[in-house]
Amino acid sequence: TQLLEQSPQFLSIQEGENLTVYCNSSSVFSSLQWYRQEPGEGPVLLVTVVTGGEVKKLKRLTFQFGDARKDSSLHITAAQPGDTGLYLCAGASNYQLIWGAGTKLIIKP
Amino acid sequence: KAGVTQTPRYLIKTRGQQVTLSCSPISGHRSVSWYQQTPGQGLQFLFEYFSETQRNKGNFPGRFSGRQFSNSRSEMNVSTLELGDSALYLCASSWGQGAYEQYFGPGTRLTVT
Repeated sequence: TQLLEQSPQFLSIQEGENLTVYCNSSSVFSSLQWYRQEPGEGPVLLVTVVTGGEVKKLKRLTFQFGDARKDSSLHITAAQPGDTGLYLCAGASNYQLIWGAGTKLIIKP
Repeated sequence: KAGVTQTPRYLIKTRGQQVTLSCSPISGHRSVSWYQQTPGQGLQFLFEYFSETQRNKGNFPGRFSGRQFSNSRSEMNVSTLELGDSALYLCASSWGQGAYEQYFGPGTRLTVT
């Protein structure tokens, strides 16, 4: 059974701090997607990383795909209250998506 | 382009009843996937429909079923509701079948009493 573990499960920090959340597996993925979900809404796609070692930046968010395509990280610089939400990663394997359980992030003003 | 729409947004049912949820995908998207989300289990894949055929299925009992129409709109049905079926049910559409990027609707919040 393929698993995608996200850590930490929960993170609460002050506005302006930096943070990193992780998405790890023992399986290789052809690509990895990151989503953010706000309360009462469905997840929204943030980015897809495809190549091992790839780094993508989305304003203050930096996404990295591991060289072996088994793991990924999301780094947020100078977090803002608007970054609050549930961050989900999903790995693509055998024409299916394997979902992590998510990291619940709260940014306090 | 309009996003994914789901109806109804909220629903309260009694144990033993059945329920049908509806999803309209983004125009041009041919794949519709359904997910169940609960605080304890996270996001769980139910099934995916592409070109009116179920292509993938998650590990859920047969009480959960779905279908897709020729216009790509989809419905899911849960029969003989149990208290544990209380959850947020999310529909997502994508351009292709399988591991393509998912575009989610706002979900239907189902409460079973």
